[in-house]
Amino acid sequence: AQTVTQSQPEMSVQEAETVTLSCTYDTSENNYYLFWYKQPPSRQMILVIRQEAYKQQNATENRFSVNFQKAAKSFSLKISDSQLGDTAMYFCAFMKLTGNQFYFGTGTSLTVIP
Amino acid sequence: NAGVMQNPRHLVRRRGQEARLRCSPMKGHSHVYWYRQLPEEGLKFMVYLQKENIIDESGMPKERFSAEFPKEGPSILRIQQVVRGDSAAYFCASSPLATETQYFGPGTRLLVL
Repeated sequence: AQTVTQSQPEMSVQEAETVTLSCTYDTSENNYYLFWYKQPPSRQMILVIRQEAYKQQNATENRFSVNFQKAAKSFSLKISDSQLGDTAMYFCAFMKLTGNQFYFGTGTSLTVIP
Repeated sequence: NAGVMQNPRHLVRRRGQEARLRCSPMKGHSHVYWYRQLPEEGLKFMVYLQKENIIDESGMPKERFSAEFPKEGPSILRIQQVVRGDSAAYFCASSPLATETQYFGPGTRLLVL
């Protein structure tokens, strides 16, 4: 079975600063996908970034980047130059390569302080 | 390209009534997924469908819940004889292929009185 753990229920960061959200997962699969989704107060689920486990290079998307450590089964999200609009719940998610469903963590509530 | 659409956005039902939640996938997407989010929790997978087929319903409660994705029209998640514990946000997602990124709709908030 796949499990995803987000050990930080809440975090805060000063506007324009950098923050890192942690995520670990457990799987016996060798190839899989990892995702970060953002859920603002509107409750819409918005894709932030995606990483293929077979790629060694860490994914980046503008101010968002990941630190993917496959051996440690760790997938942290770094948000640079934090903006007020980044305030949201952030969910880490795992998907098997041959799978069809996400396994989500319990989320980290991030507040950006002006 | 319109995103995933769900309606209604909010649904209030009394215990024992039926709830019907609709999901229209993005254009060109033939894979639909339903997830449930209880308060203060992450999303939990319920069911995965392709047109006219249920591929994986391992996350669906055994009773009262059903889903369909007909050849024409939206996917429907149906909850019969709702109970208060069914109160949650129900999200639909779609993808063009099974292992592609899933794009989520805005969700339907179901409140059972």
